[in-house]
Amino acid sequence: AQSVTQPDIHITVSEGASLELRCNYSYGATPYLFWYVQSPGQGLQLLLKYFSGDTLVQGIKGFEAEFKRSQSSFNLRKPSVHWSDAAEYFCAVGTNFGNEKLTFGTGTRLTIIP
Amino acid sequence: DTAVSQTPKYLVTQMGNDKSIKCEQNLGHDTMYWYKQDSKKFLKIMFSYNNKELIINETVPNRFSPKSPDKAHLNLHINSLELGDSAVYFCASSQVSNGAGEAFFGQGTRLTVV
Repeated sequence: AQSVTQPDIHITVSEGASLELRCNYSYGATPYLFWYVQSPGQGLQLLLKYFSGDTLVQGIKGFEAEFKRSQSSFNLRKPSVHWSDAAEYFCAVGTNFGNEKLTFGTGTRLTIIP
Repeated sequence: DTAVSQTPKYLVTQMGNDKSIKCEQNLGHDTMYWYKQDSKKFLKIMFSYNNKELIINETVPNRFSPKSPDKAHLNLHINSLELGDSAVYFCASSQVSNGAGEAFFGQGTRLTVV
């Protein structure tokens, strides 16, 4: 069975600073990997996804993530955070299509300080 | 137009009652899901329907009964509500057949059982 670990429960970053959120997954085959963001009281919005090909993927709102098979990681990065980036971030792994349930990590809460 | 819409957004009810949550997607997707997010923000899949057929049922109490009248709708009926059912329930949809896989989420229904 697949699993996702997000080691950081809460991260605080100054506005304008760079950001990296960690995600490690466990899955026997090539995974489908996703990062979602949840603002307070809102649903989940897809930031980016990795299915195959280039291991560095670009997403919305200036986010990017890098798939590293050797480390079973899919870390999310942003060079300069904005106050509006404060939210909960979830990493998820999906199985090969036909059984597309997502297994989520426990989330990382991002706080931005001025 | 909202891609995945759920009603109601908030639901407060007493223990023992029966309630339903409705979900509709206008994305033409072939697969719909129910996820539960607990008080610690942990997201876990409950059910998945592909073309109105139940595909995933993740050890959910049989008090929970999903119903999919057509591809665009997936409703969740809960009998004999318990305090532990309090959570945010998210509906989602994805197009599995072409391997795209990414799930689009609704805004969530916050269920409070008192």
